[in-house]
Amino acid sequence: GAGVSQTPSNKVTEKGKYVELRCDPISGHTALYWYRQSLGQGPEFLIYFQGTGAADDSGLPNDRFFAVRPEGSVSTLKIQRTERGDSAVYLCASSLTADYDTQYFGPGTRLTVL
Amino acid sequence: GIQVEQSPPDLILQEGANSTLRCNFSDSVNNLQWFHQNPWGQLINLFYIPSGTKQNGRLSATTVATERYSLLYISSSQTTDSGVYFCAVCETSGSRLTFGEGTQLTVNP
Repeated sequence: GAGVSQTPSNKVTEKGKYVELRCDPISGHTALYWYRQSLGQGPEFLIYFQGTGAADDSGLPNDRFFAVRPEGSVSTLKIQRTERGDSAVYLCASSLTADYDTQYFGPGTRLTVL
Repeated sequence: GIQVEQSPPDLILQEGANSTLRCNFSDSVNNLQWFHQNPWGQLINLFYIPSGTKQNGRLSATTVATERYSLLYISSSQTTDSGVYFCAVCETSGSRLTFGEGTQLTVNP
């Protein structure tokens, strides 16, 4: 079946602009996660959803970052007033449930803030 | 939060050699996954292994939860095994994965 998909695959924006990154999880997966990976490092947790609600948003770096999952499937990560330090690969993952389950990752969105 | 340490940070092998990658973690976990990140950045699941031993072809993994470490074995390495190998864990109290810094593996022909 289809895996996790993310769009766009690449996004170049200017400092101060607003961006939206989209994630389509594996069908039927109730848990959805966002991570961010900087060059040469392992991914770092941002936020996870169980259904429509954000169960843990403690990894969001500041209030410029926000994510939604209004119907419990597709999720959008929103970044306001982008800064050069936001440049990274944003990874989305999903799992069948949030308990003791394998997380499957999408291909990521590479965000470059000029 | 939980700490994850991977060793070695870099490993260079000749094709056909065997290798062992190690992952140490600082607290009890309910999830441990090994990933291979290919040159295009895709994280590929290798094992879900919070405890015990699993094998998949030339790869196998063992997690000793009571001693807080996991090992990934690669036998008869091939050039396509090159890339970064990550260990990631979930603390028993949560669902978020915490990743190690990875092992950069290079397999030369």
